[in-house]
Amino acid sequence: EVQLVESGGGLVQPGRSLRLSCTTSGYTIADYGLSWVRRAPGKGLEWVSFIRSKGYGGTEEYAASVKGRFTISRDDSRGIAYLQMNSLKTEDTAMYYCARGTEYHVHWGQGTLLIVSS
Amino acid sequence: EIVLTQSPGTLSLSPGERATLSCRASQSVSSNNLAWYQQKPGQAPRLLIYGASRRATGIPDRFSGSGSGTDFTLTISRLEPEDFAVYYCQQYGNLSAFGQGTKVEIK
Repeated sequence: EVQLVESGGGLVQPGRSLRLSCTTSGYTIADYGLSWVRRAPGKGLEWVSFIRSKGYGGTEEYAASVKGRFTISRDDSRGIAYLQMNSLKTEDTAMYYCARGTEYHVHWGQGTLLIVSS
Repeated sequence: EIVLTQSPGTLSLSPGERATLSCRASQSVSSNNLAWYQQKPGQAPRLLIYGASRRATGIPDRFSGSGSGTDFTLTISRLEPEDFAVYYCQQYGNLSAFGQGTKVEIK
């Protein structure tokens, strides 16, 4: 069974950094890209970033709202993907989901909540 | 950057009625790379439709997708009680982007 489990969320002050993790199981992570999608309170889904599989170059893409502040990475040997978030802003407050693939997403995690507040 | 605009923002309907949700893109979505998701409170999104009109595995046939280019539609032919939720469209032809969502609520 394909599973994705996010972790690392919490309460952080504006300007600080945090790293989210997405631990995968039930499939070979190296064969797929991985995306991060967030949903702010009272708002809709927002694509954040994705990283392609090594077979497709392993390259990364970012939404304009996070480019230069967030970095996505992957450790295929451990089956984990990461989202390093720097210079956090209050508007980054959201539930963060990881999802398998870089196109449409069949498999999603249950999310980890990030609150950016002083 | 492709921007997706969904309408209406809220749809108030009764069980058994037909729901028609619209998703309009600011530019043409390549190869009809458009998906629809359902999300309920406290849950992750659930894929309904991909490739504009292909139902995902296990999705009932009362859900159907249509459209091409910049205009896409999700139709729920007869609303069941479990269908009241928020629905999002997503384009994945040029990076990725989601619409702002349509809430289908019980009238």
